[in-house]
Order: sequence, then C-alpha cells, then structure tokens
Amino acid sequence: EVLLSESGGGLVQPGGSLRLSCAASGFTFSSYAMNWVRQAPGKGLEWVSAISGSADSTHYAGSVKGRFTISRDNSKNTVHLLMNSLRADDTAVYYCTREEWFGELLTSDYWGQGTLVTVSS
Amino acid sequence: QFVLTQSPSASASLGASVKLTCTLSSGHSSYAIAWHQRQPEKGPRYLMKVNSDGSYSKGDGIPDRFSGSSSGAERYLTISSLQSEDEADYYCQTWGSGIAWVFGGGTKLTVL
Repeated sequence: EVLLSESGGGLVQPGGSLRLSCAASGFTFSSYAMNWVRQAPGKGLEWVSAISGSADSTHYAGSVKGRFTISRDNSKNTVHLLMNSLRADDTAVYYCTREEWFGELLTSDYWGQGTLVTVSS
Repeated sequence: QFVLTQSPSASASLGASVKLTCTLSSGHSSYAIAWHQRQPEKGPRYLMKVNSDGSYSKGDGIPDRFSGSSSGAERYLTISSLQSEDEADYYCQTWGSGIAWVFGGGTKLTVL
C-alpha cells in the first residue's frame, strides 16, 4: 500500500522559515518524481514544486521560486520542502504527492493527508 | 491563458446520479484531464484520467460507480448510486509542457 505522511507544519511569523518532510512507503521511492501541492483556506489546489526520482531536476511554481527548495533522500524515502521568507499568502495545507505519467498527462496518483502551515504574526 | 472551469457547487440525492463538468479553455480541447476527490478532513485521492475521446482509466480501488466521459472541451465525472461518503470536493487537473500544472477551482458536491 502506498503511503505518504507529511510533517513539519506549524505557525511561523512572516519572513520566517519552515521545513516540511514527507515519509513515503509502499513503492520504490527512487523510481518516482515527487511533488508538493498546497491548498490555501477557502481556495483551490495549487501545484508548488516537483523533484525527479534521482533528484537531478527540480521545478517550482512562480509564486515560490527563489524562496522554497525541494530535496529528497532516497536512502530514507523522504522528500522535503524548505520554505524561506514565508508570507501570509503561503498559509495553506501542504500535500506531498507521488507524480505519475498516464500517457501525455502528468498528475498525482497518490496524496498524503497534508500538513498545515500558518504564516502569521 | 489555460484555464479549467468548474461549477462551484452541485447537489444530488442519496442513491441518485450526478455529472460534474470540467471545461477546458479555448484552444485546449484535446487535453486529457485527471479528476481528484477531497473528502472532508482527508487528503485528496486520484480518481481517474479522462481523455478527449471520452475514454477513461481509473485509479486503484476506485468503485465502479465512478465513470468519466468527454464532449468537445468538456470533461465529465459521473457518480452513480450516490453515497454519503461521496460528499466531497472534486477537482480537475491537467498538465502541459508550456503550462505546467493547472487545477480547476473545484466543485463542492452535497449529497442530500
């Protein structure tokens, strides 16, 4: 069974930093790219970042580029999201997802439960 | 600009069927989309991929009550024999090399 479990969320002041982690199990972790997707209160889903299985390629949404860094440790089946210079509009539930190609469609075929990040003074 | 448009809300009675719609913006009617379900207090779950020709393929463990279809720029998710646990938010999503990830705004389904 594929399981993704996020941790590290919490309350942080504007301008602060936070590091999210996602522990994965039930599949060959290094064979899959991993993503972070977030959902702000009352809003829809927003893709945040992706990292390839070998960690040689990373991608970011424009809204977080230069502030967030995605990384992974294939020896520990974990993916991380380091968030710096946090702003109020980064407040959201952050989901870890497994990326999969279905033909020409790139999507998330498994999602974690999410971890809440609140940016407020 | 690539946009996926969903109605904000839908409702149907217990045991009935409901058809949710995701509309691709002009010029993008050939794109496949994915449907994801987010039940209250849970993480989202991948439901299926729906192709422009109306074919669809479901994710692991998705009940037969869930099906997909297409017409032009519209992609549909049909849920039959509605159950209380189907009350959730439903999001469509697609991807393109020049557009990256795009999500629709979501439809909140209420089971009456």
